[in-house]
Amino acid sequence: AQSVTQLDSHVSVSEGTPVLLRCNYSSSYSPSLFWYVQHPNKGLQLLLKYTSAATLVKGINGFEAEFKKSETSFHLTKPSAHMSDAAEYFCVVRSLTGTASKLTFGTGTRLQVTL
Amino acid sequence: DGGITQSPKYLFRKEGQNVTLSCEQNLNHDAMYWYRQDPGQGLRLIYYSQIVNDFQKGDIAEGYSVSREKKESFPLTVTSAQKNPTAFYLCASKSGAVSTEAFFGQGTRLTVV
Repeated sequence: AQSVTQLDSHVSVSEGTPVLLRCNYSSSYSPSLFWYVQHPNKGLQLLLKYTSAATLVKGINGFEAEFKKSETSFHLTKPSAHMSDAAEYFCVVRSLTGTASKLTFGTGTRLQVTL
Repeated sequence: DGGITQSPKYLFRKEGQNVTLSCEQNLNHDAMYWYRQDPGQGLRLIYYSQIVNDFQKGDIAEGYSVSREKKESFPLTVTSAQKNPTAFYLCASKSGAVSTEAFFGQGTRLTVV
């Protein structure tokens, strides 16, 4: 079975400083991994995805993530936080059951950005 | 513009009543999903459908029902059997098993009063 663990429920950074949101996954085969962002009372927007191509994945809004198989990690980073980055972030793994594709979500990390 | 639309945005229900949440997509996607979101628990899968007239239970299907009579539509009914229905509900779609990216609606916040 596939699963993801987001190691921090809350992260607070100052504007202009780096962001690190941590995610570890468990998968019995080479996974597809995603990071989604959710602003309050909104749907989810895809930030980036890893699908067995390049291990360093660049996404929107300056975010990137590195797939590390040896560490079973897919941490999300951004060099310099902006106030508009304050939101909830979800790490997601895709699993296949026969022909059905399902997404399993982590419990989320709330990012706070302060002045 | 193509997209996935959920309605209504806010919904209030009296205890003991059934209520139906709408989800419509014009992306020509085969697969559709319903998730429930509670604080600190991420998103949990309620039901999903890979094709018209077929759907499967997710991880927390008890107290919910769905139908998939049309490719574009995947309504979710929250029945009186759901003991704790107050939550934020999200619908998603994607083009098939090999496609990786899911697209989400803006959500419906259901409150039992």
